[in-house]
Amino acid sequence: DAKTTQPNSMESNEEEPVHLPCNHSTISGTDYIHWYRQLPSQGPEYVIHGLTSNVNNRMASLAIAEDRKSSTLILHRATLRDAAVYYCILSFPFSGGYNKLIFGAGTRLAVHP
Amino acid sequence: EPEVTQTPSHQVTQMGQEVILRCVPISNHLYFYWYRQILGQKVEFLVSFYNNEISEKSEIFDDQFSVERPDGSNFTLKIRSTKLEDSAMYFCASKSRTDASQPQHFGDGTRLSIL
Repeated sequence: DAKTTQPNSMESNEEEPVHLPCNHSTISGTDYIHWYRQLPSQGPEYVIHGLTSNVNNRMASLAIAEDRKSSTLILHRATLRDAAVYYCILSFPFSGGYNKLIFGAGTRLAVHP
Repeated sequence: EPEVTQTPSHQVTQMGQEVILRCVPISNHLYFYWYRQILGQKVEFLVSFYNNEISEKSEIFDDQFSVERPDGSNFTLKIRSTKLEDSAMYFCASKSRTDASQPQHFGDGTRLSIL
């Protein structure tokens, strides 16, 4: 399984942008990059995904490096509610289990008022 | 927005007893999953399910575990004889299509405490 590497923790101040990095140097051409987050006492929540191009949605933006070996999740203005563990996960076609998700430890984001 | 619902939110059971965790996936979804998260540890894949069959299971999912879709809306995880180490959060997830671009949608989990 292709693996991802994320910092264990990051901190931000409220209303400031946050850039959460992820390295996936062994990514293959058909792997999608997914981001999920897990707020305290809740289940994982889908945030965004992409393949090659940068993506935006109402929650965040995803910037994908040209060689696809890294990506960055961008929260444009952090709020206290964004304090969570953020997971960068590769989802590849033809994987067993209908694209089961393999979670790492993720990045724990703390947001300060 | 449609969501995955899980019941109960907290289940306390004596060791050796059977427990059934229930999930109602999003209505038009066809692919179903169970994951678990022991306190302070990673979220771990248990099993995936499609068309009334298990498509993959992890090493954790031994003979004590089973899954079922008893009707058109529920998806259940049964642990036949619970052990202390089964204490964890159990998350159900579903997705609409099998392709790798589709996200999984998770419920808020059932906290299982084995005494």
